[in-house]
Amino acid sequence: DTEVTQTPKHLVMGMTNKKSLKCEQHMGHRAMYWYKQKAKKPPELMFVYSYEKLSINESVPSRFSPECPNSSLLNLHLHALQPEDSALYLCASSQSGTVGEKLFFGSGTQLSVL
Amino acid sequence: KNEVEQSPQNLTAQEGEFITINCSYSVGISALHWLQQHPGGGIVSLFMLSSGKKKHGRLIATINIQEKHSSLHITASHPRDSAVYICAVSRGGSQGNLIFGKGTKLSVKP
Repeated sequence: DTEVTQTPKHLVMGMTNKKSLKCEQHMGHRAMYWYKQKAKKPPELMFVYSYEKLSINESVPSRFSPECPNSSLLNLHLHALQPEDSALYLCASSQSGTVGEKLFFGSGTQLSVL
Repeated sequence: KNEVEQSPQNLTAQEGEFITINCSYSVGISALHWLQQHPGGGIVSLFMLSSGKKKHGRLIATINIQEKHSSLHITASHPRDSAVYICAVSRGGSQGNLIFGKGTKLSVKP
């Protein structure tokens, strides 16, 4: 199994809603990442988890809250988002998070905030 | 000036043509990645290079560390190759902290 599975594929939410994005991998990878990608732009790194611990937070607003309950699962909790947060949210994983590893990406969650 | 520059930004080709996409970078790197993204979709990692050349099917990626330049070649292009191809470099620290190029949008016409 070389897949990174993201759910849901599409999400529409209001600014007062609370929702969660889910990412799962069963490759035994110990590093997992959240990226945000606006239309026609390259992805931007949001968070990195290494061995279930948050190792990088790229100054992301607190309305985005990551969680890594175990080595296979990564969540992104969303609360009080703004319309400008509408984007494709991509999850990725790699073996241990060190340089020189291949990244495996999921197919993303397309988020629309109304 | 962006640290990772790709050219061309857009490319239209006829089915069967040989395609080259170029990537230049201005920083020291530990690895260079070529990624493929279909419209509205996730990203597929095609190659990761730190030197030399790699081949997978009809795709070939090369890197010249001294010249800070990489190329992605597609032989016998096919409409299903239509996608955005992204060059990204990793510099050290966490692998996920990639510097991305702006991508090359490829359209292959039948």
